[in-house]
Amino acid sequence: RKEVEQDPGPFNVPEGATVAFNCTYSNSASQSFFWYRQDCRKEPKLLMSVYSSGNEDGRFTAQLNRASQYISLLIRDSKLSDSATYLCVVNKGGYNFNKFYFGSGTKLNVKP
Amino acid sequence: NAGVTQTPKFRVLKTGQSMTLLCAQDMNHEYMYWYRQDPGMGLRLIHYSVGEGTTAKGEVPDGYNVSRLKKQNFLLGLESAAPSQTSVYFCASSRIAERSYEQYFGPGTRLTVT
Repeated sequence: RKEVEQDPGPFNVPEGATVAFNCTYSNSASQSFFWYRQDCRKEPKLLMSVYSSGNEDGRFTAQLNRASQYISLLIRDSKLSDSATYLCVVNKGGYNFNKFYFGSGTKLNVKP
Repeated sequence: NAGVTQTPKFRVLKTGQSMTLLCAQDMNHEYMYWYRQDPGMGLRLIHYSVGEGTTAKGEVPDGYNVSRLKKQNFLLGLESAAPSQTSVYFCASSRIAERSYEQYFGPGTRLTVT
């Protein structure tokens, strides 16, 4: 079983739409959670960390459900520039190592 | 402040050839990583380092070696390239932090092995 699983999409939405992605992780001991954005043929870049209480950054809202072991990302009022692949990332933490596990990504296409 | 840089950006190798990918970071980060990204697979960790002079295996280490002789540099070596190593390679670094372990990525190296 993969450490992190995501629906690959693509999600095709019109501008202004609200879209949500989910991601599940297998290890209940995971400590840190992130959403990264990756544009075509570019490197991943941090979009936002995901905190237990949930957090919001402008049009983006991230939620963590530890009991069900899933993370979500909600994008409101989608823009053309939001078109990208969104990677769910989980970290097991610990002092002696720092390993990250990446989902294969969910592709979002925002259309005019 | 260049962040994380990788050289080369592109490379084509023939089966059996060797090469070294160089990663450099100027953020004084302790941790550095090498990943490969293949279609539909996500990023997979090859090797990582928690400090100068130390390295460890990740999820897919076979066929690769690494060295971290200086804190700012992390080298990935392919001793005898195989077509299965055709991929995009990303280097990343992160600092030790109490809560957040954000990784910063280099622009990637696109390697084709024929």
